[in-house]
Amino acid sequence: NAGVTQTPKFRILKIGQSMTLQCTQDMNHNYMYWYRQDPGMGLKLIYYSVGAGITDKGEVPNGYNVSRSTTEDFPLRLELAAPSQTSVYFCASRITEGTSYNEQFFGPGTRLTVL
Amino acid sequence: RKEVEQDPGPFNVPEGATVAFNCTYSNSASQSFFWYRQDCRKEPKLLMSVYSSGNEDGRFTAQLNRASQYISLLIRDSKLSDSATYLCVVIPATQYNNNDMRFGAGTRLTVKP
Repeated sequence: NAGVTQTPKFRILKIGQSMTLQCTQDMNHNYMYWYRQDPGMGLKLIYYSVGAGITDKGEVPNGYNVSRSTTEDFPLRLELAAPSQTSVYFCASRITEGTSYNEQFFGPGTRLTVL
Repeated sequence: RKEVEQDPGPFNVPEGATVAFNCTYSNSASQSFFWYRQDCRKEPKLLMSVYSSGNEDGRFTAQLNRASQYISLLIRDSKLSDSATYLCVVIPATQYNNNDMRFGAGTRLTVKP
């Protein structure tokens, strides 16, 4: 299993541009998440999904959109990028049964800079 | 007050030392607690869950103090490979709700030869 994969690894955007951060998992997890991690701060939840076709807002959803058309893929869309969206973005998925049902598996992250 | 608070460090310790970190949480109804490890410029990975009675995994011991609302992580016989940032994670709900995982900002540990 590749686990959770994210692309791209790095990206520089200009203010006002848009982009999609890709996330794919091959563990057949129903639950998937997008977080952002700013320097010196804890991870903040942007959006999450409990299954294909179902998404919901997390703590910091403004400026972002998501879709979940398949179990495997959970892309995050940035429209009109702003410097405040400069961050490291992590996608994660979660086991929902068994003794480790709380564990989240994270992708390697996407480092985004908006200038 | 932050929901989950950690001393950012850095903690600089020699190999073989014992080091402990604390993490305080504000929601007294919190039910589940974890330590994640994050290497520099990498993703977080689960280190261990924290059980009410305390638990040990090799050189790592995690404890929960509900009365004072903190969890701790003790690392014995530190190795160079233990150098990382340790994230405290708290789930405040009685049942795992999908937007309930709260992350601390992390405590940075550097183990020196």
